[in-house]
Amino acid sequence: GAVVSQHPSWVICKSGTSVKIECRSLDFQATTMFWYRQFPKQSLMLMATSNEGSKATYEQGVEKDKFLINHASLTLSTLTVTSAHPEDSSFYICSAPRGLGAGAGELFFGEGSRLTVL
Amino acid sequence: SQQGEEDPQALSIQEGENATMNCSYKTSINNLQWYRQNSGRGLVHLILIRSNEREKHSGRLRVTLDTSKKSSSLLITASRAADTASYFCATPGAGNKLTFGGGTRVLVKP
Repeated sequence: GAVVSQHPSWVICKSGTSVKIECRSLDFQATTMFWYRQFPKQSLMLMATSNEGSKATYEQGVEKDKFLINHASLTLSTLTVTSAHPEDSSFYICSAPRGLGAGAGELFFGEGSRLTVL
Repeated sequence: SQQGEEDPQALSIQEGENATMNCSYKTSINNLQWYRQNSGRGLVHLILIRSNEREKHSGRLRVTLDTSKKSSSLLITASRAADTASYFCATPGAGNKLTFGGGTRVLVKP
């Protein structure tokens, strides 16, 4: 089956620093990737849609200058949490549909990245 | 806001029993999906049911869809301790983005 790799799986950083999370589709090309955020015992909240070759589209209430997304190639999207603060501590998960465009089929998820900001 | 509402929020059963969880949604859909998440991990796709389907099976999983009531159910039969996880329903919305329900945390006790 399709595999999405996410790295790092966990990271601890100091307040004010920036953290980059990578999401790679290993055996398929993904023109679109989705970034979600999940707080403990809660559901996934879509943050933004990463689009290869164009700007990401952000959900309402998500600060685009805070959460920088770059979709550098058909297999790589990165999320950079800039000037991280303790309230940014969360579980970040990327996903990608296998197929053309965003699609309405199944999503393949990375294993998630747990960010802890001290 | 979440498209889907799931109930129960948590479920505790003995191994061998069946687990049933429900999902309600608000807008018209062309499909509904169920995902599983082990603690601290990513999500794994379980099953997709299209709007013109009423029931679908995959191994020990049975999913129903009632578009008139805008609801779906996931049944896990003969549960095992390894089925302990959170289960989420998801529906495609504008731009084909998936929106997830609140999830049901299932604990299967050995």
